[in-house]
Amino acid sequence: SAVISQKPSRDICQRGTSLTIQCQVDSQVTMMFWYRQQPGQSLTLIATANQGSEATYESGFVIDKFPISRPNLTFSTLTVSNMSPEDSSIYLCSVEGDRNEQFFGPGTRLTVL
Amino acid sequence: EDQVTQSPEALRLQEGESSSLNCSYTVSGLRGLFWYRQDPGKGPEFLFTLYSAGEEKEKERLKATLTKKESFLHITAPKPEDSATYLCAVQNDNYGQNFVFGPGTRLSVLP
Repeated sequence: SAVISQKPSRDICQRGTSLTIQCQVDSQVTMMFWYRQQPGQSLTLIATANQGSEATYESGFVIDKFPISRPNLTFSTLTVSNMSPEDSSIYLCSVEGDRNEQFFGPGTRLTVL
Repeated sequence: EDQVTQSPEALRLQEGESSSLNCSYTVSGLRGLFWYRQDPGKGPEFLFTLYSAGEEKEKERLKATLTKKESFLHITAPKPEDSATYLCAVQNDNYGQNFVFGPGTRLSVLP
């Protein structure tokens, strides 16, 4: 399975600011995914990021709020823009394995004041 | 629309007391059903993939089974270290469809 790291592991931010979360994988992967896990809730897919193409966003998520970059096959970033307290969540990246399973990073815990 | 529900929401067991967690799903075409374990403050840890009805997978004290409408995660003689939230997710067989996660079952195993 892939080894995935995320930076930062946690952050506390002020309303109206933006935060960029980094996701690094130890092997080349085609598809990377970004999820949000709100307090006490399960995981909700934000978008799918393929290298060399625009990210595909799920219903309820837009590029202006959650811009994503995918510059190569081992790295991606998710930016949470113009943050409000409702954006306080754990943000997780994942990659697809050989048999359709997904492997997750440790997550970034974001608190917006 | 694909949907996943899990029951119970929370479960408390004594060490050694076996039980089962349920995952019920509705999907137009099942590509795979996935079980994960999530410890507090960490990302989900992959446990099993099930692809077709009748399939079973085992790992230590855990056994996952699949029917056309639901999956069960059986926990035999659990230990306190099995305490975690267990998540199931489905993937639609249309290429590009992504995971839909259930709400999870919070398991506590008391010594």
